[in-house]
Amino acid sequence: DQQVKQNSPSLSVQEGRISILNCDYTNSMFDYFLWYKKYPAEGPTFLISISSIKDKNEDGRFTVFLNKSAKHLSLHIVPSQPGDSAVYFCAAILSRYNFNKFYFGSGTKLNVKP
Amino acid sequence: NAGVTQTPKFRVLKTGQSMTLLCAQDMNHEYMYWYRQDPGMGLRLIHYSVGEGTTAKGEVPDGYNVSRLKKQNFLLGLESAAPSQTSVYFCASSKLAGKIYNEQFFGPGTRLTVL
Repeated sequence: DQQVKQNSPSLSVQEGRISILNCDYTNSMFDYFLWYKKYPAEGPTFLISISSIKDKNEDGRFTVFLNKSAKHLSLHIVPSQPGDSAVYFCAAILSRYNFNKFYFGSGTKLNVKP
Repeated sequence: NAGVTQTPKFRVLKTGQSMTLLCAQDMNHEYMYWYRQDPGMGLRLIHYSVGEGTTAKGEVPDGYNVSRLKKQNFLLGLESAAPSQTSVYFCASSKLAGKIYNEQFFGPGTRLTVL
């Protein structure tokens, strides 16, 4: 049973517009949430994170929003660029006994059209 | 600084054959992980290690074994490959966990096909 879900397998956006990627989770005990970006034939790379005690974190064009009551996480990319085309994974971390266990969503493939 | 490297990049096996996937990291990270990624599913943890000489089971450990004889290397073994093990395998490493999380750094992946 997946504890982290990304229900949209793909998203297509025009260059310059906003991309919104969504993620839902079931476990209210998660401590942190992260977004990873993955290009073909490469491993995922860390993009941005948010603590469970925050509701927003911003880094340049990337902003992550956390709605704990809805158990929902979203990543906003503004403005979207063709180089942002990749698969985006959300992940949730359960931190226990000095070990961080990661739970990953299935990914959303973003295509930014020039 | 190569980060996390994996060998091989691709492999085709026949059912019943064995093989070992090698992961190496040069960041002096304590923690190392093996994941598999299947279509429509997130990365699932197979085994992990919290330090040299230690290993532990993850979510989907059956059919796999691991060893961490050196801090920088984490080996994933398939004793008798099955078609259900066809997947993309990712290795990752991270610093010691603590009150502040440490993100994982991933290798480029190994695409394994079992016929």
